[in-house]
Amino acid sequence: DSGVTQTPKHLITATGQRVTLRCSPRSGDLSVYWYQQSLDQGLQFLIQYYNGEERAKGNILERFSAQQFPDLHSELNLSSLELGDSALYFCASSVYGGEQFFGPGTRLTVL
Amino acid sequence: AQSVTQPDIHITVSEGASLELRCNYSYGATPYLFWYVQSPGQGLQLLLKYFSGDTLVQGIKGFEAEFKRSQSSFNLRKPSVHWSDAAEYFCAVGSNFGNEKLTFGTGTRLTIIP
Repeated sequence: DSGVTQTPKHLITATGQRVTLRCSPRSGDLSVYWYQQSLDQGLQFLIQYYNGEERAKGNILERFSAQQFPDLHSELNLSSLELGDSALYFCASSVYGGEQFFGPGTRLTVL
Repeated sequence: AQSVTQPDIHITVSEGASLELRCNYSYGATPYLFWYVQSPGQGLQLLLKYFSGDTLVQGIKGFEAEFKRSQSSFNLRKPSVHWSDAAEYFCAVGSNFGNEKLTFGTGTRLTIIP
């Protein structure tokens, strides 16, 4: 158990819908990262937040957005969902610098 | 831009045999290098990391990796594999310390045969 929690574990929804994935970092970690794992794209970095502020952006679609709240939990919002958005979404956390600890992931299926 | 290559998509090893998984990276400065393992349906678990110093790093579960700057490699090794080592292994490179978004390789799937 890494100490990073993600909810829900599984999510099934339809095209065009919007969903919110939630992540709680390890106690004391200020950085939160979101990654997407799909069969065709592999593991890709989406976005990083540090203490509530956006720090780095990767291959994140404009339909996707994220935020980190004062209690340091983070949410990833995915809208206008397409079939190709079906993937495993991971959250990771770290202190400033250092290794990242990954949560168990949320498996999103878009039908 | 940083990148990671794992040339072996799938490797099969007999239980008790030695293992080496290859990883080559591309990064302009001194890289931060990681190996993660993912069991089916699970998240990613950190096996070991290299930030600086000794180029041979020890990790959990009996794994080690050697950083070779001249070859831009960070290969993962284990002297004797166990059936429980069957999983997917990912090599990753991080960028600036503190802003260390990870770039992952495509992974190597390890199968263990009795």
